[in-house]
Amino acid sequence: AQSVTQLDSHVSVSEGTPVLLRCNYSSSYSPSLFWYVQHPNKGLQLLLKYTSAATLVKGINGFEAEFKKSETSFHLTKPSAHMSDAAEYFCVVSDLYGGATNKLIFGTGTLLAVQP
Amino acid sequence: DAGITQSPRYKITETGRQVTLMCHQTWSHSYMFWYRQDLGHGLRLIYYSAAADITDKGEVPDGYVVSRSKTENFPLTLESATRSQTSVYFCASSAQGISSGNTIYFGEGSWLTVV
Repeated sequence: AQSVTQLDSHVSVSEGTPVLLRCNYSSSYSPSLFWYVQHPNKGLQLLLKYTSAATLVKGINGFEAEFKKSETSFHLTKPSAHMSDAAEYFCVVSDLYGGATNKLIFGTGTLLAVQP
Repeated sequence: DAGITQSPRYKITETGRQVTLMCHQTWSHSYMFWYRQDLGHGLRLIYYSAAADITDKGEVPDGYVVSRSKTENFPLTLESATRSQTSVYFCASSAQGISSGNTIYFGEGSWLTVV
């Protein structure tokens, strides 16, 4: 069965320092993986996605994530945090072969705080 | 403006009342979804629709009804609201199925409180 685990519920960084949000997944097949960001009182916005092409995926706003099959991880990183990055981040996995109906499995989210 | 719009954005209702959350998208996407977001659970799929007049249950469908008479609309109805249905509801759409790794686009959410 598919699952996704976000290892930290809260992460706090200082502005200008690197961001690391950790995500591990479990999937029976070759997964598609996504990171979404949710700002307060807003919907979810796609940051980036992995669909079996390059393992290092670049997204919007300077974020990137690396798919590591051996570690079943898809950690989100950014070299330098900005105040506007403060938000909740969701790691999401889907079944590439559609065997589990058309649905995404969401992690429980990581709340990123950026201190001035 | 193009995109997904949800209405109402905020709603307070009483236990036992019927509530309908509306969702409208302007992209002519085939797939539409309803999720609920609760603390500690992330987002969970309630219902989805692959095309007009085709709907199917997700993970947590009990107490909800959907319809899709037109491609652009996907209303979600709580037939008899309960306090456990207090949540934030997100409508979403996608041009193709999730299993193809296609991007899913979310509305801004509807905050529902059942008292």
